[in-house]
Amino acid sequence: AQSVTQLDSQVPVFEEAPVELRCNYSSSVSVYLFWYVQYPNQGLQLLLKYLSGSTLVKGINGFEAEFNKSQTSFHLRKPSVHISDTAEYFCAVKDWGGSYIPTFGRGTSLIVHP
Amino acid sequence: SQTIHQWPATLVQPVGSPLSLECTVEGTSNPNLYWYRQAAGRGLQLLFYSVGIGQISSEVPQNLSASRPQDRQFILSSKKLLLSDSGFYLCAWSGVGGELFFGEGSRLTVL
Repeated sequence: AQSVTQLDSQVPVFEEAPVELRCNYSSSVSVYLFWYVQYPNQGLQLLLKYLSGSTLVKGINGFEAEFNKSQTSFHLRKPSVHISDTAEYFCAVKDWGGSYIPTFGRGTSLIVHP
Repeated sequence: SQTIHQWPATLVQPVGSPLSLECTVEGTSNPNLYWYRQAAGRGLQLLFYSVGIGQISSEVPQNLSASRPQDRQFILSSKKLLLSDSGFYLCAWSGVGGELFFGEGSRLTVL
């Protein structure tokens, strides 16, 4: 069975500092990869996705992620965070074809301090 | 463009009362539809998914049920709520690449 591990449950960082949120997955087949953001009391919003092609994916709000097949990782990065980036971030993976259901990580809470 | 709406946004219900949450999708046809729940401070739990009208798959045995009476309508129900049903309920539909598009969420408090 597939699993997604978000290694940090909480990441505190100061405003304008860089940040990396880590995501590792276990799958023996080709996958699609996603990052979502959830602001308090809202639904999840797609930040970016990797389906195929370039392993560096750029998303909304200045975020990017890099797919590393050998390390089965899909870490999310931003060079300079803002207070408004404070939110919960979820990594998700879905096998090519097959199941309709993506597997989600448990989430990482990004807390940006002034 | 596609949109998804769910309601009500917030509700407070007594234990033992019924529940009905509704979700509708616009701008797409025959979408895969999902119901998730988030308990306080926890991740996403998939409750139900549907690949077509009348086709419902349950992921977690419980006192909740789901129905899909129309192509773009997904309803989550309960006949008798439990305290443990409290949480944030999210409806979603999936795009071509498997990405999910979520509604605004419905916060249920069972007292």
